[in-house]
Amino acid sequence: QSALTQPPSASGSPGQSVTISCTGTSSDVGAYNFVSWYQQHPGKAPKLIIYEVTKRPSGVPDRFSGSKSGNTASLTVSGLQAEDEADYHCCSYGGSNNVGVFGGGTKLTVL
Amino acid sequence: QLVESGGGLVKPGESLRLSCAASGFTFNTYSMNWVRQAPGKGLEWVSSISSTSTYIYYPDSLKGRFTVSRDNAKNSLYLQMNSLRAEDTAIYYCARSLVPYCGITTCPSWGDYWGQGALVTVSS
Repeated sequence: QSALTQPPSASGSPGQSVTISCTGTSSDVGAYNFVSWYQQHPGKAPKLIIYEVTKRPSGVPDRFSGSKSGNTASLTVSGLQAEDEADYHCCSYGGSNNVGVFGGGTKLTVL
Repeated sequence: QLVESGGGLVKPGESLRLSCAASGFTFNTYSMNWVRQAPGKGLEWVSSISSTSTYIYYPDSLKGRFTVSRDNAKNSLYLQMNSLRAEDTAIYYCARSLVPYCGITTCPSWGDYWGQGALVTVSS
């Protein structure tokens, strides 16, 4: 059982926006502004798309955005494109005993 | 670039050592991390080690069986896995921390570079 809770699936049509939630506790998501999101296509290594809740690494389209409210972080993908179809994993820092607390992952389908 | 090696098929109770060879960046300035993914499952943090090996972190569930180390002279990261169990079956990835010269608990964001993964299968 993952420490962070994500919906197992999400979907949207091309051009639409979709938001994926990631719910933790006051010991991880709620305590630190160190939430990351990773995109993973089948058979590939994860790719960092959001870090420190809202920041995007160089090269990541601004269609990807992150936010946080209380113990829940969210990833929004705007202007959905076919290549956005992938698994998305959230991760939070949870202190020195829990450097990386992951969610179970969300499979995003572009209809 | 990060390249893992050392994966394979082992029996329950056996040991295995994974390696992660780094190139293209100043390895000895970055903390490094191991993450695994069981078949069809989500990601799981396995271990983190500071740039000078001074600070090492594991989840409670893996303490005592897994040992992370690094050799900065060889630009390499290692994961020694002992007393392996069927539930350790997974793809093991190494991943770089984002910020050089910054400790794991100060700058706990990582994963701008990942290896391709090493498959570890534990089965009798």
